Amino acid sequence: DQQVKQNSPSLSVQEGRISILNCDYTNSMFDYFLWYKKYPAEGPTFLISISSIKDKNEDGRFTVFLNKSAKHLSLHIVPSQPGDSAVYFCAASALYSGGTSYGKLTFGQGTILTVHP
Amino acid sequence: NAGVTQTPKFRVLKTGQSMTLLCAQDMNHEYMYWYRQDPGMGLRLIHYSVGEGTTAKGEVPDGYNVSRLKKQNFLLGLESAAPSQTSVYFCASSRGGPNTEAFFGQGTRLTVV
Repeated sequence: DQQVKQNSPSLSVQEGRISILNCDYTNSMFDYFLWYKKYPAEGPTFLISISSIKDKNEDGRFTVFLNKSAKHLSLHIVPSQPGDSAVYFCAASALYSGGTSYGKLTFGQGTILTVHP
Repeated sequence: NAGVTQTPKFRVLKTGQSMTLLCAQDMNHEYMYWYRQDPGMGLRLIHYSVGEGTTAKGEVPDGYNVSRLKKQNFLLGLESAAPSQTSVYFCASSRGGPNTEAFFGQGTRLTVV
């Protein structure tokens, strides 16, 4: 039962254009969402997050949008740069879910972003 | 500042052998996690701990055991390695509680032959 899904295994974008990475979730108890970036042979690094009380959070070139009714979030990168080429993971956590999910992160499958010069 | 450190970085095991992966964090975090990453599967939670002396099962706990005897360390054990446990293993830690992100180690690439 995949509670967090990233349905696009890969995305290719031209430098300077917008990259849009998508993520869907099924657990309505999730209330905190994060994006991680991962380069080869390195551990994932935190990129940006959003709480369920917001629908948008911005940090420089990165913006995350949350649509709670659709159980969908997206990460926008504008403008995209070749250094953004990496695997992007969406993750979610629940404040409370039978007491067992507090602070626990559930990840999606990841999307490989390639930004061409 | 080291953050989260995993030992070893690479290991090759024969089927049936045992080993322990060590994770150490210096951020005084309450929560620690072990994930495995496989192609097309993302990061799947094996076991986690919400504090010293506690452990809990994640999504894929079978074949693994863990211990959290000290707050800063989280050990992942494979008692009898199988080829299906060939993977990249990541340890992570977080403050715990709401709205907190996890910090990851650099990973351990394990091959079971």
